[in-house]
Amino acid sequence: GEDVEQSLFLSVREGDSSVINCTYTDSSSTYLYWYKQEPGAGLQLLTYIFSNMDMKQDQRLTVLLNKKDKHLSLRIADTQTGDSAIYFCAESLTGGGNKLTFGTGTQLKVEL
Amino acid sequence: DAGVIQSPRHEVTEMGQEVTLRCKPISGHDYLFWYRQTMMRGLELLIYFNNNVPIDDSGMPEDRFSAKMPNASFSTLKIQPSEPRDSAVYFCASSYGGKSNQPQHFGDGTRLSIL
Repeated sequence: GEDVEQSLFLSVREGDSSVINCTYTDSSSTYLYWYKQEPGAGLQLLTYIFSNMDMKQDQRLTVLLNKKDKHLSLRIADTQTGDSAIYFCAESLTGGGNKLTFGTGTQLKVEL
Repeated sequence: DAGVIQSPRHEVTEMGQEVTLRCKPISGHDYLFWYRQTMMRGLELLIYFNNNVPIDDSGMPEDRFSAKMPNASFSTLKIQPSEPRDSAVYFCASSYGGKSNQPQHFGDGTRLSIL
C-alpha cells in the first residue's frame, strides 16, 4: 500500500540550513515531489525528482533520494523567514495516472 | 500563464444548502483533481478526471458529494445537502499526463464553512 510519512514540526534559526525528511513505502514510485503551502494559500510546487536520480539541486534547495531506504529529504540552505510554511512530500506511481499520495506535511518555523 | 483558477475563494453557508465549487484547469492539462484539506485528515484526494472522464472517485466521502467535468476547461464539485463536517479547504489541481508524469499544479482553494 501507499503511505508517506513526515515529521510534523521543524524549527530553525534564520540563516541555518533546514532539512525536512520524508519516508515512503511504495518502491514503485516514479516521481517524488516537494510542495510548499503558505498560510491561506494553495500548494506550490517546489521541486521534484525522478526515482532513478539520487540528488537534485535547485538554487537553495537540495533534494536527496535514498531509494534503498525509501527516504527523501529536502534541504533548504540559508533559511529565511519567508521559508516558514508547511512542506509536503508526495509520490506518484507508475500506471497510477498522475495520482499523488501526500505526506502529512511538516510545518517549518524560522526564528530570528 | 494563468494557473488553476478556483471560485469562490470563500463560501459560508448554512447546513442543508447546496454548495457548488468551481475549477478551471490550466489549458492543455488532461488531468484534473479535487482534494479536501482539514486539520484532522490532512490532504485527501476526492476524485480525479482524465480527459473529462472520472477515473477514481473512491475518495468521495458520501453520496452528498458529486463532481462533473463537462468540458476540458471546467469542473464542479457539488455538495448537497451540506453539513458542518464538510467545512474544509477544497483544492483543485491539474496536470498533463502525456508520456511522463508532470507535476500537479494547484489552485488557491475554496475555504468552505458550513454553519
